[in-house]
Amino acid sequence: DTAVSQTPKYLVTQMGNDKSIKCEQNLGHDTMYWYKQDSKKFLKIMFSYNNKELIINETVPNRFSPKSPDKAHLNLHINSLELGDSAVYFCASSQARGARGETQYFGPGTRLLVL
Amino acid sequence: QKEVEQDPGPLSVPEGAIVSLNCTYSNSAFQYFMWYRQYSRKGPELLMYTYSSGNKEDGRFTAQVDKSSKYISLFIRDSQPSDSATYLCAMSGNSGYSTLTFGKGTMLLVSP
Repeated sequence: DTAVSQTPKYLVTQMGNDKSIKCEQNLGHDTMYWYKQDSKKFLKIMFSYNNKELIINETVPNRFSPKSPDKAHLNLHINSLELGDSAVYFCASSQARGARGETQYFGPGTRLLVL
Repeated sequence: QKEVEQDPGPLSVPEGAIVSLNCTYSNSAFQYFMWYRQYSRKGPELLMYTYSSGNKEDGRFTAQVDKSSKYISLFIRDSQPSDSATYLCAMSGNSGYSTLTFGKGTMLLVSP
């Protein structure tokens, strides 16, 4: 059983398009996250939701809009894709709110390439 | 200066070697220190977790935190080819919504 799953695994698209990435966790966790890992492997938090409520919103362009229909799902919609959006996007989840020593469980990543 | 500094490597060692991986940080508010392992084309997975200063051992892995020097280490004894991966240090503060701040990761290659 996959704990944190993401779809699609690969996404190749043209500049200016709109795309969505979906994430689901079956761990019963309350908190979910979106991270971006750039070409230099630097992993940076983008958003965090706790029980469908946005709790962390780092400096991310407005073109990125997360949505959590329920606490097991966190989707990421990206408008007007740019070349610089090419990266691997990871979804993660943890038991409770915040990151104090809590294990975060990561999905396999979605590799986005914008041409 | 970035909040967390980590040498990207790659670090190449022969099987059986002792490996030392390190991170330095600048934010004195960090209290929780973690090491994540990331295999190629996979998501990171938690390997070790330490609160505040001190050592923690788990099998072949030992994590050390020296808060006075703002320096953390991960030691791998008797390294195996299956240890070949990127190792990311991560840390967070003590407030309820603390985020994890990651290092860039060190790529480790263990040759048979």
